[in-house]
Amino acid sequence: SQQGEEDPQALSIQEGENATMNCSYKTSINNLQWYRQNSGRGLVHLILIRSNEREKHSGRLRVTLDTSKKSSSLLITASRAADTASYFCATDPRSDAGNMLTFGGGTRLMVKP
Amino acid sequence: DAGITQSPRYKITETGRQVTLMCHQTWSHSYMFWYRQDLGHGLRLIYYSAAADITDKGEVPDGYVVSRSKTENFPLTLESATRSQTSVYFCASSETGQGAGEQYFGPGTRLTVT
Repeated sequence: SQQGEEDPQALSIQEGENATMNCSYKTSINNLQWYRQNSGRGLVHLILIRSNEREKHSGRLRVTLDTSKKSSSLLITASRAADTASYFCATDPRSDAGNMLTFGGGTRLMVKP
Repeated sequence: DAGITQSPRYKITETGRQVTLMCHQTWSHSYMFWYRQDLGHGLRLIYYSAAADITDKGEVPDGYVVSRSKTENFPLTLESATRSQTSVYFCASSETGQGAGEQYFGPGTRLTVT
């Protein structure tokens, strides 16, 4: 079962625009992570936000976390063609069943030059 | 080469055959993971390992076997491959426990079962 669900499933924007992707999850978490996957490649970690944090920045990336709404957003500012990829959120749920990192289905971002 | 590698990168096999996918990491990370990626399901955890000789099931372990005799290697075996196991398989490693920190992913193995 997927703990995280990304929205939208696909997003197409022009270079220079901002891209916003959302992630919703179902249970309480310890942290939430965002990963990028270029076509045909493995996933690359972008940023981790802990449950007691509300916002985090890394370069052109801004991640927010609202634990009351069980949701997170990833904002990529001033997008570039090289940002074209799939983006996944992954949650570390608090669970007696074990500390498993579960991934959402991803958002496919296309940045047109 | 430093990092995490997977072999083979592509594999075609027949139903009923045994297949082993290899994963090797050079960081001496304690934790290693196997995921499968399918359209509509994202990544799903198959098995993970906290250390050499310690393995545990993930979300979708049926039909798979793992071993970890050395810290750097974590092979995944499909004992009798089925068409439903056609997928892209990713190995990952982490310094800390599941979800506690970032995971480093290999390039993936695309497996087709005919």
